[in-house]
Amino acid sequence: AQSVTQLDSHVSVSEGTPVLLRCNYSSSYSPSLFWYVQHPNKGLQLLLKYTSAATLVKGINGFEAEFKKSETSFHLTKPSAHMSDAAEYFCVVSISGNTGKLIFGQGTTLQVKP
Amino acid sequence: DSGVTQTPKHLITATGQRVTLRCSPRSGDLSVYWYQQSLDQGLQFLIQYYNGEERAKGNILERFSAQQFPDLHSELNLSSLELGDSALYFCASSVDGGEGDTQYFGPGTRLTVL
Repeated sequence: AQSVTQLDSHVSVSEGTPVLLRCNYSSSYSPSLFWYVQHPNKGLQLLLKYTSAATLVKGINGFEAEFKKSETSFHLTKPSAHMSDAAEYFCVVSISGNTGKLIFGQGTTLQVKP
Repeated sequence: DSGVTQTPKHLITATGQRVTLRCSPRSGDLSVYWYQQSLDQGLQFLIQYYNGEERAKGNILERFSAQQFPDLHSELNLSSLELGDSALYFCASSVDGGEGDTQYFGPGTRLTVL
C-alpha cells in the first residue's frame, strides 16, 4: 500500500535562507506525488506534481521537488524563504488504480523568522 | 481561487443533529472528492464520485453519506453528529478522477459540534 512520511513536523528558517521539507514515500511502483500548501484558515493549494516525467519538478512561488527512486524521497526545496511562505505543507501520494484517492502526510509547519 | 465552491463556510450544531455540506466543482470537472481534516487524524479521504457514480470509498463512517447530482454538484450528509465529528471538511474536484489527476480544493466547511 502506498504511504508518505513527512520527516519533520515543524521547520523553522530565517527569511532569505533555503527551505528543505522532507518526504519519503512507500510504493511498489513509481507513484504520482504532490506537494500542497495550506495557509492559515485557507484551503489547500497545489504547489507541484510529479507523474514520472522529469524527476526535478518545478512548482509555483519558487518551490521545486526532486523525485529520487533510490531513496524513495520527494523533498521540497526553495532557495530563499519569504515571510509569505509560512504555512502547513503536505506531501501527498495518489493511490494506484482507477481512482484519484490521495493519501496525505501528517504535514510540516514552516515557520519563517524575520 | 481554485474554482471549487463550498457552502456553508462555518456550521455550528449540536450532538445528534444532521447537517448537509455542499460542493460545486470546477467547470468541466467530472469527479468530486470529500476529505476530513482534524487535529488528531490529519487529512483523510472520505469518498469520491465520478459523473454521478461512487468510485472510491475511504474511512467514511456509516453515519455519513454523499451523492453527486446530475449537474455534478455534490452533497455530504452527516447525521447523528458527535463531538468528534468537529473538523474541517474539504471538497476537491478533478477532470477525470484517475490516478495522478490533479485535484483542486475548495475553501472548506468548518463544522463545530457542541
